[in-house]
Amino acid sequence: QVQLQESGPGLVKPSQTLSLTCAVSGDSITTESSYWSWIRQPAGKGLEWIGRISSRGRTYYNPSFKSRLTISSDTSNNQFSLQLASVTVADTALYFCARDMGVSSPFEWGQGILVTVSS
Amino acid sequence: DIQMTQSPPFLSASVGDTVTITCRASQTISGFLNWYQQKLGKAPKLLIYAASSLQSGVPSRFSGSGSDTDFTLTITGLQPEDFATYYCQQSYSTLRTFGQGTKVDIK
Repeated sequence: QVQLQESGPGLVKPSQTLSLTCAVSGDSITTESSYWSWIRQPAGKGLEWIGRISSRGRTYYNPSFKSRLTISSDTSNNQFSLQLASVTVADTALYFCARDMGVSSPFEWGQGILVTVSS
Repeated sequence: DIQMTQSPPFLSASVGDTVTITCRASQTISGFLNWYQQKLGKAPKLLIYAASSLQSGVPSRFSGSGSDTDFTLTITGLQPEDFATYYCQQSYSTLRTFGQGTKVDIK
C-alpha cells in the first residue's frame, strides 16, 4: 500500500514561493500509469485539485494556478514537489499530496500539511 | 472544467436514519465518480469508487449509485462515527474536480 508524507515550511510570507515535498513509500513514482497530485483545502472550505505529474514526468496544471505553479519529481528519492509562486493569504490551506492510477481511479492521500501565508 | 454540484450542502440527521446525498456533473462522466468522507483536519477517506464499488474495509451501510451525470451516496442506518463531511470527485477528466461537500451533523 502506498504511503505519502508531505513536508515543508508551515509559514510562508506573502509574495514568496511556497515549496512542499511529498515523500512516497510502498510504490515507485515511476510505476507505469501512476499520477501524483497536489490538492488543497482552505479552512472551512472544499477540496481543490492543483495539478499533477505523471510517472513519465508529464505535468498537468489546474488553469487557476498555471502561471505560478511548478510540479516536479525526484525519482532518485522517490518524491515529488510543489512550488507555488507569489503567494497571498488566499493560499493559506491544508495541502495534500495524493496518488491515482488514471481514469476511474480514486485518490490515495497523504495526511496533509497546513501552510499559512502571513507576514 | 467539469463542475460537480452536491446537494444538500448541510444535512441534519439522527442515528439510525437513512440519508442520501446527490452529486451532479456538468457533463457526462460515465461512472468515473468517487465518494469520500472527511473529518476535521484529516485526509479524506475513500468510501465508494467507480460510482458504486465499496472500498475494502468500508461498512456496507454505505452505497453508491448512478451514471453519466447523476449520482447518489446513501448511508443506511447512520452511526455516530458517520457524522462528517462527504465529497464527490470525478476522475473522468484530467482536471480533477470535487463537489462542494455535504456536512452531515447530528439533529
